[in-house]
Amino acid sequence: NAGVMQNPRHLVRRRGQEARLRCSPMKGHSHVYWYRQLPEEGLKFMVYLQKENIIDESGMPKERFSAEFPKEGPSILRIQQVVRGDSAAYFCASSPGRGFYEQYFGPGTRLTVT
Amino acid sequence: EDQVTQSPEALRLQEGESSSLNCSYTVSGLRGLFWYRQDPGKGPEFLFTLYSAGEEKEKERLKATLTKKESFLHITAPKPEDSATYLCAVQATSGTYKYIFGTGTRLKVLA
Repeated sequence: NAGVMQNPRHLVRRRGQEARLRCSPMKGHSHVYWYRQLPEEGLKFMVYLQKENIIDESGMPKERFSAEFPKEGPSILRIQQVVRGDSAAYFCASSPGRGFYEQYFGPGTRLTVT
Repeated sequence: EDQVTQSPEALRLQEGESSSLNCSYTVSGLRGLFWYRQDPGKGPEFLFTLYSAGEEKEKERLKATLTKKESFLHITAPKPEDSATYLCAVQATSGTYKYIFGTGTRLKVLA
């Protein structure tokens, strides 16, 4: 009865390195959402994916950020050439599919860029 | 532009002192309004979904209500374990199923 799983829980990267954040949705869920929470700010939508398809990436920065949700395996949020401003908590949420409105969140990955 | 505003930003209550948190929203069309609880260092925990004005949902000491412009989360006789940040989010009919979040209300209940 596992919920949404995210790893790593904490990630430290130096400026210019790459960060890979992983999200395994709840069992039976085929839709994944990524949100970012900056210090003292609310959660901001980044990208919405279903398996092998990006549905909505309107919240994703145009450069350095990419996301995928392959047929097999977890969803990956990839940040290339990280900068200090990327330091934040990144949350993944999942839902069973279209028409199921509630999203269930994972524990988050806290990224620190030094 | 779709927008969600929560008030107050922070609230301190004595144990047993009931109060309400507010979530005002502006969306082109409301698909759903959602309440979550977030504890420090953790992910948001789902509480309620409200779909239409006049709807109410209850769970233990919490009751959520919805009008055409706002939602309230009523906390009756709170306990220290109710201390958390309460988040409100909306889904608009015009977009995909993404959430638009407010910045939350930080609730502290003192024993």
